[in-house]
Amino acid sequence: GQSLEQPSEVTAVEGAIVQINCTYQTSGFYGLSWYQQHDGGAPTFLSYNALDGLEETGRFSSFLSRSDSYGYLLLQELQMKDSASYFCARTNGGKLIFGQGTELSVKP
Amino acid sequence: EAGVAQSPRYKIIEKRQSVAFWCNPISGHATLYWYQQILGQGPKLLIQFQNNGVVDDSQLPKDRFSAERLKGVDSTLKIQPAKLEDSAVYLCASSSAGTTNTGELFFGEGSRLTVL
Repeated sequence: GQSLEQPSEVTAVEGAIVQINCTYQTSGFYGLSWYQQHDGGAPTFLSYNALDGLEETGRFSSFLSRSDSYGYLLLQELQMKDSASYFCARTNGGKLIFGQGTELSVKP
Repeated sequence: EAGVAQSPRYKIIEKRQSVAFWCNPISGHATLYWYQQILGQGPKLLIQFQNNGVVDDSQLPKDRFSAERLKGVDSTLKIQPAKLEDSAVYLCASSSAGTTNTGELFFGEGSRLTVL
């Protein structure tokens, strides 16, 4: 199968750290991407992991463990503008398959 | 660099009518994707083109949906006849050889379809 599992919603306060987990099925797996989508907007690329370990890009980091079929997106120093939906997506032979998304609400 | 352009942004039709969406990818991007995103869900791949050839259309409901990319640049997605469950945002995305391999797609703003 090609499904991905992530929590449907997460709530955190401004300035905090939040982790959004994603598990995936391994058939044909190449790598794991993360996208952000604000209401009514286009999904925008955040990060990609093909190898185990942590990738850091500013306030956002992404982690992958291929042996556990698991990854996460870590958002630090949360800001109100980080309120959005976050999608993990698996790369499968040039095709990108998305999870159902996690809606992050950042409260003051 | 111009992004992925889509039109129309919004469309309201009645069931059994037809509709067409247009997409112009980022210049030079060989791969073009159409995704369907139903409210509250993740984007679902409908069809993927590499230049003017179809790479994957396994999730495209071919009895009512069709897509083409005749000259390997812009693309059209058509629905005929539309059903209520086709109400969704239709997202077009493109990628180059380099970005495809790193899971980076560039999305347009989408075309929001409402079927009454």
